[in-house]
Amino acid sequence: QVQLQESGPGLVKPGQTLSLTCTVSGGAFNVDTYYWDWIRQPAGKGLEWIGRTHISGSTNYNPLLKSRVSVSMDTSKKQFSLKMTSMTAADSAVYFCARGGKFGSPFDYWGQGILATVSS
Amino acid sequence: SYVLTQTPSMSVAPGQTAPITCGGSDIGRKSVHWYQQKAGQAPVLVIHYDSERPSGIPERFSGSNSGNVATLTITRVEAGDEADYYCHVWDSNSDNRVFGGGTKLTVL
Repeated sequence: QVQLQESGPGLVKPGQTLSLTCTVSGGAFNVDTYYWDWIRQPAGKGLEWIGRTHISGSTNYNPLLKSRVSVSMDTSKKQFSLKMTSMTAADSAVYFCARGGKFGSPFDYWGQGILATVSS
Repeated sequence: SYVLTQTPSMSVAPGQTAPITCGGSDIGRKSVHWYQQKAGQAPVLVIHYDSERPSGIPERFSGSNSGNVATLTITRVEAGDEADYYCHVWDSNSDNRVFGGGTKLTVL
């Protein structure tokens, strides 16, 4: 059974960079089939896709967040990471990592989510 | 950018049928996926590629997609189905993954 687990600081100051890591276990990681995604959900609101990475090194980002986001992976540790710069209160949310696929594939496995709060 | 529209909330009595819709321009030409999110939990995929059920999802969950509307239908609704439901598509024009705003299903 594939499992994903997010980790990282829960509190970020305004203007600083959020850094989160997702560790994958129980399944293949270094395969062409899968993409590794980040999705967020502000309190009481809906889901927003942030971006993704692939074993090939390719990345894709939500156009609205592209200028502030980078996603990377460490295959030796079966981890992938999110960095989001210039954080504001509007970026406070639960951040999920998930496994996706090519083109219009679904997100079939999700982490439990990690709350990131932006506050001084 | 591509927009998906969902009714924010709906209520249904146990045993009845809940049709949850997701509207989008020519959505019938796209593959639609549906997620169930219970309070405090991560989303769970309940329908993918318009109408296919992942392993472990009850047959009470079904999906359809045509024209400008995709529908997730839950038959014989149970108290345990109370959750938020989100639709999701891939917008190939922008290579963006888009979610609907979600529908909160309340079981009376």
